[in-house]
Amino acid sequence: AQSVTQPDIHITVSEGASLELRCNYSYGATPYLFWYVQSPGQGLQLLLKYFSGDTLVQGIKGFEAEFKRSQSSFNLRKPSVHWSDAAEYFCAVGAGAAGNKLTFGGGTRVLVKP
Amino acid sequence: KAGVTQTPRYLIKTRGQQVTLSCSPISGHRSVSWYQQTPGQGLQFLFEYFSETQRNKGNFPGRFSGRQFSNSRSEMNVSTLELGDSALYLCASSPGQSYNSPLHFGNGTRLTVT
Repeated sequence: AQSVTQPDIHITVSEGASLELRCNYSYGATPYLFWYVQSPGQGLQLLLKYFSGDTLVQGIKGFEAEFKRSQSSFNLRKPSVHWSDAAEYFCAVGAGAAGNKLTFGGGTRVLVKP
Repeated sequence: KAGVTQTPRYLIKTRGQQVTLSCSPISGHRSVSWYQQTPGQGLQFLFEYFSETQRNKGNFPGRFSGRQFSNSRSEMNVSTLELGDSALYLCASSPGQSYNSPLHFGNGTRLTVT
């Protein structure tokens, strides 16, 4: 069965600084990988996804992520963080033939200092 | 286009009661998935419906059930509520069943069991 690990539970970053969130997955074949963001009291919003092809994917809100098969990682990055980026971020993997069954990591809560 | 609508937003129930949560997907979306979010277990997949048929099911007891109607609206039911069922229940819709069709999440129903 697939699994997702987000090693960092909390990250504090200063506004304007760069941000990198780690995600490691476990799955035998090439997985479908996603990053979602959740603001307080809200549902999840898709930031970006990777299925195949270019291993560096661009998403919304200035985020990007890089798929590294050798490290089973799919880390999320943003060059310059804005206060509005304070939220919880979830990495997820979809595996199997079909369906919308995602396995999520435990999430990383990002705090932005002014 | 209206987003995924979940009703009610908040619910307080007593242990042993049952509860029904409702989800209206984005117009034209035929797949509806349900997830449970708790601080301890994180985001866990409950089940997915497509064209009124359950296509995937997570590892939850039979007290958790759902259904989908011909207009793609979905309900989930939890019978004999336990304190551990307190959670944010998220519904997500998608045009199809492939991971190429990203999930659109609602804002959730916050269930508190006392």
